[in-house]
Parts: sequence; structure tokens; C-alpha cells
Amino acid sequence: RKEVEQDPGPFNVPEGATVAFNCTYSNSASQSFFWYRQDCRKEPKLLMSVYSSGNEDGRFTAQLNRASQYISLLIRDSKLSDSATYLCVVNEGGTYKYIFGTGTRLKVLA
Amino acid sequence: SAVISQKPSRDICQRGTSLTIQCQVDSQVTMMFWYRQQPGQSLTLIATANQGSEATYESGFVIDKFPISRPNLTFSTLTVSNMSPEDSSIYLCSFLPGLNTGELFFGEGSRLTVL
Repeated sequence: RKEVEQDPGPFNVPEGATVAFNCTYSNSASQSFFWYRQDCRKEPKLLMSVYSSGNEDGRFTAQLNRASQYISLLIRDSKLSDSATYLCVVNEGGTYKYIFGTGTRLKVLA
Repeated sequence: SAVISQKPSRDICQRGTSLTIQCQVDSQVTMMFWYRQQPGQSLTLIATANQGSEATYESGFVIDKFPISRPNLTFSTLTVSNMSPEDSSIYLCSFLPGLNTGELFFGEGSRLTVL
């Protein structure tokens, strides 16, 4: 089983749609969780951290379920500019090691 | 926030040669890392670059193949030695500004093609 698993997609959605990505992680000792965005041929950049209580940043909502070892990202009112690959990232507790999922590719269509 | 620059941005190399990638941060940072992203794959940590001492390598990566230097808190290099086509990948340097496991910042990456 992969340490961090994501559905690779692609998810093709029309502008204005709501789309959700899921991610599962295998190490129950993981302590920090993130969603990164990677545009084609670019480096990954932090989209948002994921907190136990769930958190929202504009059109983006992230949630963490520690019991199920599951992270989600919800994007509302999708824009063309949201087209990218979204990487689920988990930090193993007590280390500086970040484990990256393979990413979920999103295409927002006009 | 600190600015990180990485070079070369891309290179095409012959089998059996070596290439050194440089990473420069415009302020002192504690933790620096080197990642590899193979085509269609996720990022894999190669090693943690330790200032003034040998790098800490992850399973599957060895110093002879990927020697790393970190002479100070702003600079690091990764060498890909005795290259083969399987080494064709994007190599990314990254850093944590402090000791907390927060946002990881990345350089723009070095796209390496080995013929």
C-alpha cells in the first residue's frame, strides 16, 4: 500500500462546478497535512494546510479525518485557473520527511 | 519569505557523465532537501542536506550516486553521477524556513534528460 494515495484523475469539470479530491495516508503517526498545487512544468506550491477542525480559504475547504486517515479538498465555483495537479502531502511525526501523493489532475473547462 | 533559485533549469546529458545542480536561498535556512520527480510520478525525497556534514539519504539513494554538498546555510548542490537514462527526471531543492514542519518551499526544478 502506498504511503499517500490519491485518485490520479483527470477530473474534467465545467467552470463553476464543485469538485472534491480525496487522499488517504497509511502512517497513523502522521502529524501535519497539506495540499499543494503544481502547475505544468512548475514547482509545487502550498495551497493550504489541513487542520483537524477543518479549514476554509475562500473557495477551498480542506478536511482531515484522523480516524479514517483521510484528507479531502473541496473546490467550489471552479475557475479555469484552478486547472493544475493537486498534491496531498503528509509529514511523518517527529521527522522532517514529507510524503507526497502522486497528485490529482484537474481540468476546468470553459 | 525567502527566495530560492536553482540552476540549471534544464539540461540534456550523455550517459556516463555527471551533472551538478545548484540551489541558492537568499536567506539562511535550517533545513534543505533534495527531491526527485520522475515523469508522471510524485516527489520522492532523495536526502536532507546537512550544513557542514554528510547528507542524510533516504532508502534507495546513496552518496556515491547523489553526492550532496551544503557548505553554508544558504547554498547546496546535488550531483547526479554516472548518469543513465533512468536518471531522467526533475530534481528539486527545497527548504523549511525554520524547524517547524510547516510550508515546504521549492526551487523551480532542474529538468534532466539523459540520452
